[in-house]
Amino acid sequence: EIGMTQSPATLSMSPGERATLSCRASQSVGSDLAWYQHKPGQSPRLLIYDASTRATDIPARFSGSGSGTEFTLTISSLQSADFAVYYCQQYNDWPRTFGQGTKVEIK
Amino acid sequence: QVQLVQSGADMMKPGSSVKVSCKASGGTFNTYTISWVRQAPGQGLECLGRIITPLSITKYAQKFQGRVTITADTSTTTAYMELSSLRSDDTAVYYCAINLGWASGTYVYWGQGTLVTVSS
Repeated sequence: EIGMTQSPATLSMSPGERATLSCRASQSVGSDLAWYQHKPGQSPRLLIYDASTRATDIPARFSGSGSGTEFTLTISSLQSADFAVYYCQQYNDWPRTFGQGTKVEIK
Repeated sequence: QVQLVQSGADMMKPGSSVKVSCKASGGTFNTYTISWVRQAPGQGLECLGRIITPLSITKYAQKFQGRVTITADTSTTTAYMELSSLRSDDTAVYYCAINLGWASGTYVYWGQGTLVTVSS
């Protein structure tokens, strides 16, 4: 199965700052890459699919880029609601696999 | 507005089976692909499998093959995930989710999650 590695494990940021999260696949997944936001006690929320397409109602401060094995999620200016864990997920191969997550915490 | 409502928390004995339900409303059930994803305590997300409801075609992650069964009842717009031969490391929150499209691998609508605790 395709392994997904996210870095860093934790990102300590202040509101208003720009956050850059990385995701690496163990083999090429093309553009079959999604990003989810997950807050404690809630269900995950789809942010980005096809590597760079924002899901419905997702603010423009979230953007995704990359292809093949290297991907990035950028949050241009962190808002208080953005402090959460972020997961990347590949859907190029079965089983679908997720990274271990990057926690974005308040500095 | 599509909603998924899952059954309540369960406490199970090792070796037993659990069946979690996921009732959908607000959309067209028999066009959905419904997937099941779990999160063990302190761990990341893990895909168990999915069902293409109009075709009743299932696919399971090899790790769970033989232990997991996903079904869907179109008359009640409810999907089910049954996991057998439970072990302590099956303790997790189990989510159902609707895929973005029937052939998509992304999960756009999620249930609220069901905590399954396996303990003697």
